[in-house]
Amino acid sequence: DAGITQSPRHKVTETGTPVTLRCHQTENHRYMYWYRQDPGHGLRLIHYSYGVKDTDKGEVSDGYSVSRSKTEDFLLTLESATSSQTSVYFCAISDGASSYEQYFGPGTRLTVT
Amino acid sequence: SQQGEEDPQALSIQEGENATMNCSYKTSINNLQWYRQNSGRGLVHLILIRSNEREKHSGRLRVTLDTSKKSSSLLITASRAADTASYFCVGSGNTPLVFGKGTRLSVIA
Repeated sequence: DAGITQSPRHKVTETGTPVTLRCHQTENHRYMYWYRQDPGHGLRLIHYSYGVKDTDKGEVSDGYSVSRSKTEDFLLTLESATSSQTSVYFCAISDGASSYEQYFGPGTRLTVT
Repeated sequence: SQQGEEDPQALSIQEGENATMNCSYKTSINNLQWYRQNSGRGLVHLILIRSNEREKHSGRLRVTLDTSKKSSSLLITASRAADTASYFCVGSGNTPLVFGKGTRLSVIA
């Protein structure tokens, strides 16, 4: 696997609480992405980053925020978790824009009760 | 968007047989990528074919691209039980990749 780790790998939280997921890379790739994967919906882009402090929204960004204060870390925050945000979250990195292959992390399974 | 749509949604074959999955997309692309996802794991990049290429091979994988029909196919020859996974295609252009729902391949030993 490329040098991508996600933490935590599993989390159970209650509705209304804030949650932060962390993606860490050792590849010095410029682009980082957060996706969620749900049955019947495939993989959907939440937010992505094209450099330190440079981020943009994906197709399902409502209820999520991100931050990237250094190249190796990309944080995804659920400001007030809801049951609809129960999902598996994947981080990915790439060395360039969309024409470059992406490398995926192992995923974080989040359950909001 | 360059979202790929895979067909069929599910495919079940015997070990040793060939598996063919198809992909269609709607807008122009720079290249098309195929990914594999084993259950509970992140996606793994398999192969990239550029828009000016018609066919590409990598081991037991053969990918074709027909830009006039906006379609691609992935052929896995001599399938193995370890090929059981979901396969995704995605066309890449000037916007972030948009993944489809994938084809679920089951290879029965």
